[in-house]
Amino acid sequence: GAVVSQHPSWVICKSGTSVKIECRSLDFQATTMFWYRQFPKQSLMLMATSNEGSKATYEQGVEKDKFLINHASLTLSTLTVTSAHPEDSSFYICSAPGDTGELFFGEGSRLTVL
Amino acid sequence: AQSVTQPDIHITVSEGASLELRCNYSYGATPYLFWYVQSPGQGLQLLLKYFSGDTLVQGIKGFEAEFKRSQSSFNLRKPSVHWSDAAEYFCAVNSGGYQKVTFGTGTKLQVIP
Repeated sequence: GAVVSQHPSWVICKSGTSVKIECRSLDFQATTMFWYRQFPKQSLMLMATSNEGSKATYEQGVEKDKFLINHASLTLSTLTVTSAHPEDSSFYICSAPGDTGELFFGEGSRLTVL
Repeated sequence: AQSVTQPDIHITVSEGASLELRCNYSYGATPYLFWYVQSPGQGLQLLLKYFSGDTLVQGIKGFEAEFKRSQSSFNLRKPSVHWSDAAEYFCAVNSGGYQKVTFGTGTKLQVIP
């Protein structure tokens, strides 16, 4: 199956700094990628849809200026958490759709903001 | 609007025992249905999917699921559970368009010796 890779797998940062998470499709091209946030013991919450060559589409309630998404190429989408605060600490996961409707997920990135 | 219900938050089974995880969906037409597994601190891995055709689908790691339209269910089964199956399992529904994937709240599986 298709492979999606995220980096870093975990990151610790100080409050007020910005953190960038990368999501790459390794063996296929993805014009669309999705970013999710997962709280402990909860399901995935779709944050935004990343579109190659155009602006991302954010879900209701997600701050566009806080979570910057860039889809610079057909294999790379990045999520930047700007001016991170402790409440932004979470597990962030990206995914890309396959040819037959399923989603392929990255390994996830654990963000801890001190 | 589509929705997915996984009624069991946590299930414990003995190694070697059979397993069934429940999933019910709400959607007017026949959706695309998926089961994913998530190990701690990891992303989600696709176990199996149903789009159409045979209502019993086989997946990886010995899992299977059966689509029952009359019950709006897509339960996941495995005849004999292994300790390595301990993880969180998510049922998901896609009614059309990749954005419209809705995940259930997950069922955490614990396997005891």
